[in-house]
Amino acid sequence: GAVVSQHPSRVICKSGTSVKIECRSLDFQATTMFWYRQFPKQSLMLMATSNEGSKATYEQGVEKDKFLINHASLTLSTLTVTSAHPEDSSFYICSAPRGGAEYFGAGTRLSVL
Amino acid sequence: GENVEQHPSTLSVQEGDSAVIKCTYSDSASNYFPWYKQELGKRPQLIIDIRSNVGEKKDQRIAVTLNKTAKHFSLHITETQPEDSAVYFCAASSGGSNYKLTFGKGTLLTVNP
Repeated sequence: GAVVSQHPSRVICKSGTSVKIECRSLDFQATTMFWYRQFPKQSLMLMATSNEGSKATYEQGVEKDKFLINHASLTLSTLTVTSAHPEDSSFYICSAPRGGAEYFGAGTRLSVL
Repeated sequence: GENVEQHPSTLSVQEGDSAVIKCTYSDSASNYFPWYKQELGKRPQLIIDIRSNVGEKKDQRIAVTLNKTAKHFSLHITETQPEDSAVYFCAASSGGSNYKLTFGKGTLLTVNP
């Protein structure tokens, strides 16, 4: 079964609103989690590394004030897309390492109208 | 940083035939190479991985080979079945404190009945 849970699976929101996505590790602790963005028919692009108890590490070109990451516990990381706009519409996926491998959540499809 | 090239971008085979997908990487410090299968709208699923201390790994119909000197690794699927149809991604990581996966652009595999 899945080792990483992600919610919600789909969000439709109006432009200007903020959206929070949760990523949970199931039955294991994850001091690090990763957030990716995937456009249709494209690869996974790492946005940021979420670190429990410290600030997230963002990849070049990713606006940290736009994509707020909070890793408040050893099993939960959240990504908040602030003031979402249509160009933020995408598939967002989180992952967590376990036993030397990386496992993905089911993804969140965000549609901003 | 790491750069991963993946070929081909699309691959169509007849059921029962073999399929081979190839990737090259640029960072000689990379030591972990997973392969993921992603069906449309679903999460990437880890199907096999290999570390730099071995040259080949096999799991039933799936095998991965690694050539560290040439910095390339390949996925081999034998006796393909229609349910193998999906997008396959290779990835590379250097591990340690700077661990993060860099993905190839993906290969759309279609297995025709």
